[in-house]
Amino acid sequence: GAVVSQHPSRVICKSGTSVKIECRSLDFQATTMFWYRQFPKQSLMLMATSNEGSKATYEQGVEKDKFLINHASLTLSTLTVTSAHPEDSSFYICSATGQGTAGNTIYFGEGSWLTVV
Amino acid sequence: DQQVKQNSPSLSVQEGRISILNCDYTNSMFDYFLWYKKYPAEGPTFLISISSIKDKNEDGRFTVFLNKSAKHLSLHIVPSQPGDSAVYFCAASASSGGSNYKLTFGKGTLLTVNP
Repeated sequence: GAVVSQHPSRVICKSGTSVKIECRSLDFQATTMFWYRQFPKQSLMLMATSNEGSKATYEQGVEKDKFLINHASLTLSTLTVTSAHPEDSSFYICSATGQGTAGNTIYFGEGSWLTVV
Repeated sequence: DQQVKQNSPSLSVQEGRISILNCDYTNSMFDYFLWYKKYPAEGPTFLISISSIKDKNEDGRFTVFLNKSAKHLSLHIVPSQPGDSAVYFCAASASSGGSNYKLTFGKGTLLTVNP
C-alpha cells in the first residue's frame, strides 16, 4: 500500500523554540495532507487540512500562527510548532491521500512525539 | 458533541474467537467509514472501509457491517489473533462540500486478544 513517512519520530525541544516535523508521501502524489494531534487516551484530533500549493485550512481552536503548515510539493508537508510550550507536548500524526491511493483511503505517517521541556 | 462514538474503551477476547468492535455516528452526512488499527506511539494503519451504498465489506479476517438506519457500524475479526491486540479507531467522512477526505475519529477501543 501507499507509504507516508514522518520525521523525526521523537523530538525534545526547549520551551520557546520552534520545531519542524516533516511528512512525506513516498510512493504517491499527496494532493491533500492532514495534520492531527493525539493526547494520551484521546482520539486523533484534526488540526488542519492542506492542499498542495495552497494555504492550510485550520480547524476551530487551532492557532494558525502557532502551528505553521506548509505543503509546498506533492510529496512533502511540514508542521512547524512555533514558540513551543510544554502544553504543546503531544503525538503529532500526518496523513495523506491523492493520486495513487485507492479510492478514499487515507494513509498515515508513523507519528512524531514532541516533548517540550 | 462527538459525532463518532466508540462506547467501549476496551474489549478482551480469547484467541480464535470473534472480536466485535462497535461504532455509532450521529452525522447523517457521513457516507464513508473506515477502520484503523493503532499501536502505541505509531500512526494508524488502515484496515478496511465501507461506503454507505453497501452494508457489508469483507477482507480476509476483517468484515465491516454498516447499518445506516441505526447509524451504526461494526468491525468483526475472526478468528482473533494475539497480534490483533491494538487500539482500533472508527472514522467517518462526508463526501459533500468538497471535504470528502476529512475524517472524524472515534476515541478508539483497545482490543486485547488473549492466547
